Amino acid sequence: GAGVSQTPSNKVTEKGKYVELRCDPISGHTALYWYRQSLGQGPEFLIYFQGTGAADDSGLPNDRFFAVRPEGSVSTLKIQRTERGDSAVYLCASSGGTAETQYFGPGTRLLVL
Amino acid sequence: DAKTTQPTSMDCAEGRAANLPCNHSTISGNEYVYWYRQIHSQGPQYIIHGLKNNETNEMASLIITEDRKSSTLILPHATLRDTAVYYCIVSPRGAGGTSYGKLTFGQGTILTVHP
Repeated sequence: GAGVSQTPSNKVTEKGKYVELRCDPISGHTALYWYRQSLGQGPEFLIYFQGTGAADDSGLPNDRFFAVRPEGSVSTLKIQRTERGDSAVYLCASSGGTAETQYFGPGTRLLVL
Repeated sequence: DAKTTQPTSMDCAEGRAANLPCNHSTISGNEYVYWYRQIHSQGPQYIIHGLKNNETNEMASLIITEDRKSSTLILPHATLRDTAVYYCIVSPRGAGGTSYGKLTFGQGTILTVHP
């Protein structure tokens, strides 16, 4: 079946601009996670949704970062006033049912110039 | 979540077993040991998990010591496609579909399988 998909696969933007990153989880998965991975580092947790609500947003670095999941399926990570330090790969994962294994998408590579 | 310690890198010859160690001496009673791997330019891929018993699936085996303070991931016949960063993670897991959220990744072990 279809896995987790993320769009766009690559995004180049200028400092100060606003970006939106989209995640389509595996159908039926109730839990959705966002992570950020800088070069040479392991993924770093940002936020976790259970259904439509954010169950844990403790990893969001500051108030420029915001994520939504209005219908409990697709999620959008929004970054305002981007900074060069936001450049990273943004990974989305989903899990559900009794498996609880997190299945990751291929990521969106964000470059802020 | 408990912290894990892994070697920075390891090498393995193709066709041989790859044994990747992980220390998690502060693991709590409700925490499972998970292994994920990340092949270059891809998202992490789940391999296996366990609580206290040894586990085996089509990808690998997981050996957890009796005191649960360390574990070893075994790839029985490594191939070139197994070259990746391998992450050992400890995290609580609920029963019956309850999710406990985030995975805390460390630096992982870079496994290089050579011909």
